[in-house]
Amino acid sequence: QSVLTQPPSASGTPGQRVTISCSGSSSNIGSNYVYWYQQFPGTAPKLLIYRNNQRPSGVPDRFSGSKTGTSASLAISGLRSEDEADYYCAAWDDSLSGWVFGGGTKLTVL
Amino acid sequence: QITLKESGPTLVKPTQTLTLTCTFSGFSLTTSGVGVGWIRQSPGKALEWLALFYWDDYKRYSASLQGRLTVTKDTSKNQVVLTMTNMDPVDTATYYCAHTPYNIGGQSRGFDYWGPGTLVTVSS
Repeated sequence: QSVLTQPPSASGTPGQRVTISCSGSSSNIGSNYVYWYQQFPGTAPKLLIYRNNQRPSGVPDRFSGSKTGTSASLAISGLRSEDEADYYCAAWDDSLSGWVFGGGTKLTVL
Repeated sequence: QITLKESGPTLVKPTQTLTLTCTFSGFSLTTSGVGVGWIRQSPGKALEWLALFYWDDYKRYSASLQGRLTVTKDTSKNQVVLTMTNMDPVDTATYYCAHTPYNIGGQSRGFDYWGPGTLVTVSS
């Protein structure tokens, strides 16, 4: 049981905008930044968004992050087939004094 | 260019102790604001954070696994070592190490560089 809650799956067609939600609590998302990772099968995760809405160099601006209260969202606009991957949210948890991850969302591009 | 790579046994027996080494390049763990974390992923499951070693030698461990985990560093070899005791089949997973930078305010930029991971199977 992951501390952060994500929908197990999401889908969209090419060109669409899709959002993936991440729900937490006051001890994690409510009081700390949210991070998003993209992972393809058999490979290491890749940092997609840091500090709620910042993109590392090289990440397309089709990817954006937001946070409101104890929830966060990852939005992908202009969906492409190569976006089909697993997406994880993460945050520091003050009560646990450690990083917590969501259960992951498998994005399918139809 | 920052790179990390995990190494260690691919198979351990239940109750044994696992020792994994993360060898990195492109940064120094003595530089202020740098951390190396360990994260694992059981087959078909989500990511799970295990431990974090900070530039000032401070360490953090997963609350659920504390007591079984130890992280140390060898500055001369640019390595961080994770030790996990009393291994169980449920600990079968791909283990990753990752670089994480912090700003002056102590805010992380996330795990921005990852090793390829190493699969550890726990079985008798």
